[in-house]
Amino acid sequence: DAGITQSPRYKITETGRQVTLMCHQTWSHSYMFWYRQDLGHGLRLIYYSAAADITDKGEVPDGYVVSRSKTENFPLTLESATRSQTSVYFCASSVDITDYNSPLHFGNGTRLTVT
Amino acid sequence: AQSVTQLDSQVPVFEEAPVELRCNYSSSVSVYLFWYVQYPNQGLQLLLKYLSGSTLVESINGFEAEFNKSQTSFHLRKPSVHISDTAEYFCAVSTTGYKLSFGAGTTVTVRA
Repeated sequence: DAGITQSPRYKITETGRQVTLMCHQTWSHSYMFWYRQDLGHGLRLIYYSAAADITDKGEVPDGYVVSRSKTENFPLTLESATRSQTSVYFCASSVDITDYNSPLHFGNGTRLTVT
Repeated sequence: AQSVTQLDSQVPVFEEAPVELRCNYSSSVSVYLFWYVQYPNQGLQLLLKYLSGSTLVESINGFEAEFNKSQTSFHLRKPSVHISDTAEYFCAVSTTGYKLSFGAGTTVTVRA
C-alpha cells in the first residue's frame, strides 16, 4: 500500500542497547523527518533529510544517528539507549509543504520504552 | 529561530459548543502556519494551513483559523464541536517551507 510505514509499532529495550527504528515511504518524497513526541513538549525534530545521502540535525539530535542511502528509507538508530529516550517516535515525509497539495505526511509512530 | 506557544494544554468542551484553541508564534521572518490533529494511537494529520493570501483559512470539517500578523497568532476555532473532534491539536510554524516547529499540543475532550 502507498504511504509511510514505521516499524516496529512498539519496542521495549534495555539501557545501553542499540535499537533501530525503521521508516519507509512509497511516494519518493524528497524530505524525510524524525520527530519525538513527549508530554508537554509536543513534537521535537531529531533529524531530517532533504534527499538521499543528505541529512542534518534538528532540535534534539544527541544520542541518535540517521542514514538515507535510498530515497524511500530513513532509519533512526539509538546507539546506546537511555531512559530519557523513552518516547513516541514519528517519521514524516514531504515534497514541499508550501505546496498546498503537499502536506507533511506522518507515520503512525513507534512507541519506544527503554528500561 | 522560530517558536510556537499553545496557550492551553487541555480544553474540555460540551458537544455542539464552540471551541477556540490559541496559538502564538515568534519569528523574525515570514512564516507558514499549520494546524495538525492527532487522533488516539495515530500519526498527525494536516487540518489546515496558511501559506499566503487570505488570512482566514478553513478545513473541510468545519474548523477555521485566522492569521493575525500584528498579534503573531493563529488561533483555531470551530463553532460547534462533535464527539469525534476529541483529539490532540498541534500548531506548527515553518520559515523554510519544509521544516516545522510544533507547539506542545492542546488536548480537546468533547463531552455529551
